[in-house]
Amino acid sequence: DQQVKQNSPSLSVQEGRISILNCDYTNSMFDYFLWYKKYPAEGPTFLISISSIKDKNEDGRFTVFLNKSAKHLSLHIVPSQPGDSAVYFCAASARNTDKLIFGTGTRLQVFP
Amino acid sequence: GAGVSQSPSNKVTEKGKDVELRCDPISGHTALYWYRQSLGQGLEFLIYFQGNSAPDKSGLPSDRFSAERTGGSVSTLTIQRTQQEDSAVYLCASSLDVSESSYEQYFGPGTRLTVT
Repeated sequence: DQQVKQNSPSLSVQEGRISILNCDYTNSMFDYFLWYKKYPAEGPTFLISISSIKDKNEDGRFTVFLNKSAKHLSLHIVPSQPGDSAVYFCAASARNTDKLIFGTGTRLQVFP
Repeated sequence: GAGVSQSPSNKVTEKGKDVELRCDPISGHTALYWYRQSLGQGLEFLIYFQGNSAPDKSGLPSDRFSAERTGGSVSTLTIQRTQQEDSAVYLCASSLDVSESSYEQYFGPGTRLTVT
């Protein structure tokens, strides 16, 4: 039972364009959402988060959008850079628990 | 300062042997988490420590898996009688405390376990 789903295993985007990574969740108790970025042979690193009381959070080139009614969030990266090439994991948590539930990840490749 | 460290970085073991994986969290972080990532899968939660106690062991896949944490710092994950399906990257993460900021977990590089 996959509570957090990233249905696109990979995405390829040209440098300078927008990258949009999507994530869907099923548990309505989730109230905090995060995006992590992972390079090969390294642990995931925190990128950006959003609380369920918001529908948008922006940090530089990265913006996360949350649509609670659709149980959907997305990460926008603009402009995309080759260094953004990595695997991106969506994660969610409910306030009454202390663990993150991760999606299966989307591999982003940004080409020149 | 130093991040989360894990050892060994790679471990190859024969089926049926026991293995111990070690995690050194960021100094001062009271919460510690173990996850594993199997090939083609997302990160699977295993166990969580707050201090030395483990309030949530719900993710441990079987009784062959156990973990402990001593002194509120280092943690070891032990897998007894390893099976081939245990092959995965085992990731450790730590966070400051059990609060909203704890959701921002800091991960180590992982231990790649291969059971032959």
